[in-house]
Amino acid sequence: DIQLTQSPSSLSASIGDRVTITCRASQGISKSLAWFQQKPGEAPKSLIYGASNLQSGVPTKFSGSGSGTDFSLTISSLQPEDFATYYCQQSKSYPITFGGGTKVEI
Amino acid sequence: EVQLVESGGGLVQPGGSLRLSCAGSGFTLTDHYMDWVRQAPGKGLEWVGRIRNKANGSTTVYDASVRDRFSISRDDSYNSLYLQMTSLRIEDTAVYYCARVGRGYTFDIWGQGTMVTVSS
Repeated sequence: DIQLTQSPSSLSASIGDRVTITCRASQGISKSLAWFQQKPGEAPKSLIYGASNLQSGVPTKFSGSGSGTDFSLTISSLQPEDFATYYCQQSKSYPITFGGGTKVEI
Repeated sequence: EVQLVESGGGLVQPGGSLRLSCAGSGFTLTDHYMDWVRQAPGKGLEWVGRIRNKANGSTTVYDASVRDRFSISRDDSYNSLYLQMTSLRIEDTAVYYCARVGRGYTFDIWGQGTMVTVSS
């Protein structure tokens, strides 16, 4: 199975901050990586697919980069609605796996 | 509006069975790969399994933790997806989400989730 390791597991940030979350895969997955945002009590929301492609309707303050084993999600200017848990997920091979999550807090 | 709505969750004893449903609207389920993903209380996301689209034979694939116990199916006449769960264990307790597979072979639409509690 492909393991995804996210770092940090949590971070504290302020409104307006630029935030970067990383995701490392245990083996190369090309660009088969997605990012999701989840708020408490809600379903996950898709942000990024193919490592760097924004899902329809997602604001451009979110961006993704990377390929192979190292990936990152950046939020350019943190707003109150961005405080949530973020997950990476690989679709290169079965079983599909998720990272452990990064909680972004004030 | 493209939407997925799950139902069928509840409390079940260990060893019991339960069937979850996921009704789609605004699109045709059979045209897409459809997955189930679960989340235990306070934990992260865990993939359960997939049913491929009709063009790819509607074949299924499962995580090892549920293989031989869970089964995914579809009813095209109702535009619905199902997760039949048998031999349930305490560790199957989770919110279960159905999700549509879109661009990049990842999830673009999620349902709101349905809670399954396995307890005696």
